[in-house]
Amino acid sequence: EDQVTQSPEALRLQEGESSSLNCSYTVSGLRGLFWYRQDPGKGPEFLFTLYSAGEEKEKERLKATLTKKESFLHITAPKPEDSATYLCAVRLFSGGYNKLIFGAGTRLAVHP
Amino acid sequence: DTGVSQDPRHKITKRGQNVTFRCDPISEHNRLYWYRQTLGQGPEFLTYFQNEAQLEKSRLLSDRFSAERPKGSFSTLEIQRTEQGDSAMYLCASSRQPGKPGQGTHEQYFGPGTRLTVT
Repeated sequence: EDQVTQSPEALRLQEGESSSLNCSYTVSGLRGLFWYRQDPGKGPEFLFTLYSAGEEKEKERLKATLTKKESFLHITAPKPEDSATYLCAVRLFSGGYNKLIFGAGTRLAVHP
Repeated sequence: DTGVSQDPRHKITKRGQNVTFRCDPISEHNRLYWYRQTLGQGPEFLTYFQNEAQLEKSRLLSDRFSAERPKGSFSTLEIQRTEQGDSAMYLCASSRQPGKPGQGTHEQYFGPGTRLTVT
C-alpha cells in the first residue's frame, strides 16, 4: 500500500536552532515529492518539488533533499514566522494523472 | 495574479441538510482537484477533473458526494444528507497540464479551503 510517513509529529525549536524534518515513503511509481507549508485555518502553500534522488532545492532558510526512500526538510536558523505545519506529499503515476498522497505533517513551533 | 479561491470559507449546517461548495481555479490551469482534510491529518484526495471531465474519484467519495466542473472553469462539490463525519476542511487545488511528457510543472496550488461543521 502506498504510504507517506512524516516525523516527528511535532517539533519545538528555539529561534536559531537548526533542525530537520523527515518524510519517508513506500510507494510504487513515484513521480515527484512535494513539500507544502500550512498555516492554521489556511490551505497548503507550495514550497518545493523534487523528482530524483540526490536533488536539492533551497528557499530562504529551507532546504529540501531527496533519497530513494525519504526526503528531508532542513531548517537553518529558524525564526518564529517559520512556525507552521509542514506537509510532504508524493505524486503517483496512476492512470496518467496527478494524484498526491500526503503525510500527516510535522507541526513546527519556533520560539523566540 | 489571483490564486485559487473557494466559497464559502465556513459553513455550519445541520445533519441531513445538503451543502454546496464552489472552487475557482487559477485561470490558466486546466486540472482541478478536491481534497478533504481533518484535524491533525494531511489532505486526502477526493476527485480530479481535467477540463470538464471528471477522471478519477476516490473510494472516500460516497454516493452522497458529487462534483461538477461545467465548461472546465469553476467546480462545485455537493454533499447530500450531511453527516457529522463529513465535518472537515474541503480543499480545492489546481495545476497546469505540462505541454509535453516529462516537462512542465506538476505542482498543485491550493485554495484557502471551506471549513464544514455538521451539527
